[in-house]
Amino acid sequence: AQSVSQHNHHVILSEAASLELGCNYSYGGTVNLFWYVQYPGQHLQLLLKYFSGDPLVKGIKGFEAEFIKSKFSFNLRKPSVQWSDTAEYFCAVILYNQGGKLIFGQGTELSVKP
Amino acid sequence: GAGVSQSPSNKVTEKGKDVELRCDPISGHTALYWYRQSLGQGLEFLIYFQGNSAPDKSGLPSDRFSAERTGGSVSTLTIQRTQQEDSAVYLCASSSGQGAMGNEQFFGPGTRLTVL
Repeated sequence: AQSVSQHNHHVILSEAASLELGCNYSYGGTVNLFWYVQYPGQHLQLLLKYFSGDPLVKGIKGFEAEFIKSKFSFNLRKPSVQWSDTAEYFCAVILYNQGGKLIFGQGTELSVKP
Repeated sequence: GAGVSQSPSNKVTEKGKDVELRCDPISGHTALYWYRQSLGQGLEFLIYFQGNSAPDKSGLPSDRFSAERTGGSVSTLTIQRTQQEDSAVYLCASSSGQGAMGNEQFFGPGTRLTVL
C-alpha cells in the first residue's frame, strides 16, 4: 500500500538553527506533494506544494522543500527557525489515479526553544 | 464564508449514542473530504465526494460511519453507536477539483469528538 514516512517524530531546536524534516513516499507514479503545518490550537494550513516543474519549491515563512524523484523524497527545510515555528508538520501525497485523497505522514512535532 | 467551516467545534457524547458532524466547504468547491486525526493513528482519510460521482468510501473504518453531501455543498458525517475508539478530531477539507491545481485541499478547524 502507498505510504508516507516522516523520519523524525519530535525535533527540538534552538532559535536560528537550521531545520530539515525528512519525508519519503512509496509510489512510482505521478504525485503531487504537500507540506501542511498545524500551529498549537489551530487548524491545518498549507505550507508549500509541488505539482510540477522546478523541484525546489518555496512556501510561506521562509520554508522550502526539494522534490527528488529518484529518492522518492520531499524534505522540508528552513535555514533559520524561529520560536513561532513551533508546530506539527505533516507531509502529504496525492496519487493521481486514486482521486484526490491525501495520504499523510505521521507528522513531526517541532519545538523551538527561544 | 471564506474558508471551510465545521460544527460543532466540540462534541462530547456517551458510548452507544449517534452523532452528526457538519461541514460547509468553500463556496464553489466541488470536492469535499473527511479525515480523522487521532493519537497514534495520525491523519487518516475517511471519505471523498467529487461532484455528482459516487463517493470514495474506502477509508471509512466500519459500517457505523456514513456520510452524505446534499446539493453538492454541505456534508454530514454520521457515526452510529459511538465507541470510545471513535474519539478523535474529525477534519473536513474541500478543493476546487478542477485540473492539477484543484488538488490543493483547504482544511476546516475540525470537530473534536470525545466518547465517554
